[in-house]
Amino acid sequence: QKEVEQNSGPLSVPEGAIASLNCTYSDRGSQSFFWYRQYSGKSPELIMSIYSNGDKEDGRFTAQLNKASQYVSLLIRDSQPSDSATYLCAVKSNTGKLIFGQGTTLQVKP
Amino acid sequence: KAGVTQTPRYLIKTRGQQVTLSCSPISGHRSVSWYQQTPGQGLQFLFEYFSETQRNKGNFPGRFSGRQFSNSRSEMNVSTLELGDSALYLCASSLTLALNEQFFGPGTRLTVL
Repeated sequence: QKEVEQNSGPLSVPEGAIASLNCTYSDRGSQSFFWYRQYSGKSPELIMSIYSNGDKEDGRFTAQLNKASQYVSLLIRDSQPSDSATYLCAVKSNTGKLIFGQGTTLQVKP
Repeated sequence: KAGVTQTPRYLIKTRGQQVTLSCSPISGHRSVSWYQQTPGQGLQFLFEYFSETQRNKGNFPGRFSGRQFSNSRSEMNVSTLELGDSALYLCASSLTLALNEQFFGPGTRLTVL
């Protein structure tokens, strides 16, 4: 079992729709969770961090954390073509290492 | 505030050579982490430095090493390069070890021929 798992996609949504990206992790002791966006040929860009159970909203982005289910998700409302990118889920394990999932490719079609 | 900078941006080496990559963190950031990104393996953690000390290490062979200087700048070195070392090497900085948000530099694209 991989430490951080994401569906590689591609996830295709129409412009204006809600995109839902999911991530599961294996280390039950993990305390910090992050979503990064990576455009093709660029480096990852931090878009959300979440540390406690529940929802955290920032503009069109909402991160959701459920530690009991070891599940993190990212919702993107009113998706735009400029949101088309690979979204990386990252989990800080109890060893202190930041472990990344393989990423989900999102395509937003105009 | 300037972001994380990495030099060089592109590098071509041949098998058996060694390479040194450099990273300057965001001003005030004291922790620097290094990652290797390949299409097959994704983003993999190499090591993390804080206050000139390696605080954490990933599962890479001893050919991969690093160091951090008193001004928080960091270098990583790969000796005896192999074809499989071709990758994007990313550096990320954060304020401290405890503050988890890491910000990435543009990366160094290493090609080993």
